[in-house]
Amino acid sequence: IVLTQSPATLSLSPGERATLSCRASESVSSYYLAWYQQKPGQAPRLLIYDASHRATGIPDRFSGSGSGTDFTLTISRLEAEDIAVYFCQQYGISPLTFGGGTKVEIK
Amino acid sequence: QVQLQESGPGLVKPSETLSLTCAVSGYSISSGYYWGWIRQSPGKGLEWIGCVHHSGSTYYNPSLQSRVTMSVDTSKNQFYLKVNDVTAADTAVFYCASSSASWAYYFHSWGQGTLVTVSS
Repeated sequence: IVLTQSPATLSLSPGERATLSCRASESVSSYYLAWYQQKPGQAPRLLIYDASHRATGIPDRFSGSGSGTDFTLTISRLEAEDIAVYFCQQYGISPLTFGGGTKVEIK
Repeated sequence: QVQLQESGPGLVKPSETLSLTCAVSGYSISSGYYWGWIRQSPGKGLEWIGCVHHSGSTYYNPSLQSRVTMSVDTSKNQFYLKVNDVTAADTAVFYCASSSASWAYYFHSWGQGTLVTVSS
């Protein structure tokens, strides 16, 4: 399954809402989609699993939604520490695949 | 909390074998989980290489299957990756990671990553 993320770059002001899209080339079974945050020089960190479940310790300003081929990661109120690249990953069909990422910048 | 740390040569010559080790702490490999390898390169983004279970069962990405071998050593609480016949296209940051329930799952813990460059 090919995952296409958009936009490639998102530039927003602190406090604004960020909406990141992940579109799959075919349906992702059973909501098997995760989101990760990767800051420069760091490993990816799990944010969301099963499309909408927040991982342990993740602030509630992060939320995931969607099903089938269209998934969304929303950051309700952007903070400076949210500057990162965000990736989606599907684990419904082998091989596991990742999207190309969306870079979130602060204006 | 599971912690993972990759180690291995940072430079490998073309046609040779890339070998990496992932040391696990805070959790016994024998207790379960699935142990995976993912690489990240500028050209191909994040790419799942495969997973190994403490039983020795392995699950590989078909695109790499002919060149990849994964294994575990429960006595050392480590798992391993070998990639044969490497080329410049294998240059990447390699991460080891863990999945709790299945080989086809999300990764809840990641190592810091190790850069491997393939060059003569």
